[in-house]
Amino acid sequence: AQSVTQLDSQVPVFEEAPVELRCNYSSSVSVYLFWYVQYPNQGLQLLLKYLSGSTLVKGINGFEAEFNKSQTSFHLRKPSVHISDTAEYFCAVSAAGNQFYFGTGTSLTVIP
Amino acid sequence: AAGVIQSPRHLIKEKRETATLKCYPIPRHDTVYWYQQGPGQDPQFLISFYEKMQSDKGSIPDRFSAQQFSDYHSELNMSSLELGDSALYFCASSLVGRFEGGTGELFFGEGSRLTVL
Repeated sequence: AQSVTQLDSQVPVFEEAPVELRCNYSSSVSVYLFWYVQYPNQGLQLLLKYLSGSTLVKGINGFEAEFNKSQTSFHLRKPSVHISDTAEYFCAVSAAGNQFYFGTGTSLTVIP
Repeated sequence: AAGVIQSPRHLIKEKRETATLKCYPIPRHDTVYWYQQGPGQDPQFLISFYEKMQSDKGSIPDRFSAQQFSDYHSELNMSSLELGDSALYFCASSLVGRFEGGTGELFFGEGSRLTVL
């Protein structure tokens, strides 16, 4: 089975500063990795995904993530955050034909 | 493009009543998942169906049941509702494609917000 750990439950950051949201996973098989964002009172929206190929993945809204197999990590980064990035961010993992697992989420708050 | 459709979007029930939530997956997706998200919590997996058969079960109470119909839509039935059942219920669909190497990426509906009074 797979599992996901999001190391930070809350991340406050000033507007226009860089941010990194950390995600580690465990799995005995090859995995697919995802970051979802949930804005207040809304559903989950896919930010980006790693399926195979280049380990640096670019997503929507200027976010990117790097798959690091040796460190079993898939950290999410953005060089300059905006107020509108304030949301809950969920890292998730799946393996072909298997269940989809979420992390516990990281609440990103962008401070003006 | 067609997305996952959930209904109703909002539902208010009294304790001990019954509620039914519906989910219409993206066409040609073979898997449906149900998640429950309480206030300030991460989505908790309830149950999933692959090709209309139950494929996995999470933290779904015995008072809840679900099924997937021949047209691939799914329904989550909740009986003897409790205050703690108040939550946002998400349905998601994916193309798992166990024999075709699908990625299992989930596409979520907007959710159904259940309030139990």
